[in-house]
Amino acid sequence: DAGVIQSPRHEVTEMGQEVTLRCKPISGHDYLFWYRQTMMRGLELLIYFNNNVPIDDSGMPEDRFSAKMPNASFSTLKIQPSEPRDSAVYFCASSLSGYQPQHFGDGTRLSIL
Amino acid sequence: RKEVEQDPGPFNVPEGATVAFNCTYSNSASQSFFWYRQDCRKEPKLLMSVYSSGNEDGRFTAQLNRASQYISLLIRDSKLSDSATYLCVSPSTSGTYKYIFGTGTRLKVLA
Repeated sequence: DAGVIQSPRHEVTEMGQEVTLRCKPISGHDYLFWYRQTMMRGLELLIYFNNNVPIDDSGMPEDRFSAKMPNASFSTLKIQPSEPRDSAVYFCASSLSGYQPQHFGDGTRLSIL
Repeated sequence: RKEVEQDPGPFNVPEGATVAFNCTYSNSASQSFFWYRQDCRKEPKLLMSVYSSGNEDGRFTAQLNRASQYISLLIRDSKLSDSATYLCVSPSTSGTYKYIFGTGTRLKVLA
């Protein structure tokens, strides 16, 4: 069975550039989560969707961050403009329902120079 | 106070030892908890779910203490391959279906 698929695996770009991270959840999973992980702050929830609808975006750090889920099999997290402090590993996860465990993708390792 | 707190470790134990980690949580209404394992530079992977009093899976046992609001993870007969960071997960106090991950406890099993 295919797990959560994220792309790209690595992204290195200069500050000010737009960054788009992509995620394909596990088929049939109704919940999709975006996380950011850093050494200092650990794993932080940025936003989550239920049936393609954003439910809680209180973790999105600022207006430079946006996320969309146009259909059940695709979501994007966009940073525009990017800054060096956005450097982190970004994970996408999905779950069958709200109380079921989440399954993570391999993550995108983002470096903003 | 953080919603989920874990001792960061590292816990250095010899092969074959028994080791236990605790995790405290804030949401007294929580019904479901999880333990995840994360290897260096990898994604978190589900280790165990804890829905009621506890759960056991081979060498791993998770227990829930609602009165004191903590969950524990016990690993028996530690293997070198158990070396990883163990993340505790609890529902947040601030949103439905919103889970908070602890910062993790690092385990090193030594030969």
